[in-house]
Amino acid sequence: AQTVTQSQPEMSVQEAETVTLSCTYDTSESDYYLFWYKQPPSRQMILVIRQEAYKQQNATENRFSVNFQKAAKSFSLKISDSQLGDAAMYFCAYRILSNFGNEKLTFGTGTRLTIIP
Amino acid sequence: GAVVSQHPSRVICKSGTSVKIECRSLDFQATTMFWYRQFPKQSLMLMATSNEGSKATYEQGVEKDKFLINHASLTLSTLTVTSAHPEDSSFYICSASTPGQSTQYFGPGTRLTVT
Repeated sequence: AQTVTQSQPEMSVQEAETVTLSCTYDTSESDYYLFWYKQPPSRQMILVIRQEAYKQQNATENRFSVNFQKAAKSFSLKISDSQLGDAAMYFCAYRILSNFGNEKLTFGTGTRLTIIP
Repeated sequence: GAVVSQHPSRVICKSGTSVKIECRSLDFQATTMFWYRQFPKQSLMLMATSNEGSKATYEQGVEKDKFLINHASLTLSTLTVTSAHPEDSSFYICSASTPGQSTQYFGPGTRLTVT
């Protein structure tokens, strides 16, 4: 069974600084997707970034980037120039690659990020 | 694009009654919808996966007779909590996806309180 581990229950960062959230996963599959979702106080789950395992290039979305290390099964999220609006719970998630659209996500336990003004 | 809505956002019901939560994909056809439950300060726990026109697949430990899921159209799935009890109080979230789409899109959630 696939598992996703987030070893940092809480993190904090000064506004405008950079922070990295860790995620490791365990799978025997070679093709899969990895995601970072953000859940702010409103509790709406928001997709931050997505990585396809077959792509060697790390995904980037504006201030958000990942460090995907497939051999090490590591998928960390870097937030640059942290802003107050980045304060949220961040969940790492995994799903196998298929075209059926019905593959479930496996979530980590989350990291609560606090931004210090 | 890829907007998912849920209704109601909050509901309070008395113990023993049933409550229905709707999940709608507003701008795409969702062949698959997922229902999650989230306790305070915890991760999302998948309850069931529903495919349009077929019976839902429930995760181990989830009572299918208590949590009735219907996915009658490509844009609507419903979760009915039957004979609700205070321990069913939780935050329920749905998500939707479609073939060829790697990402699940989430609704805003429904907070259920059973008194």
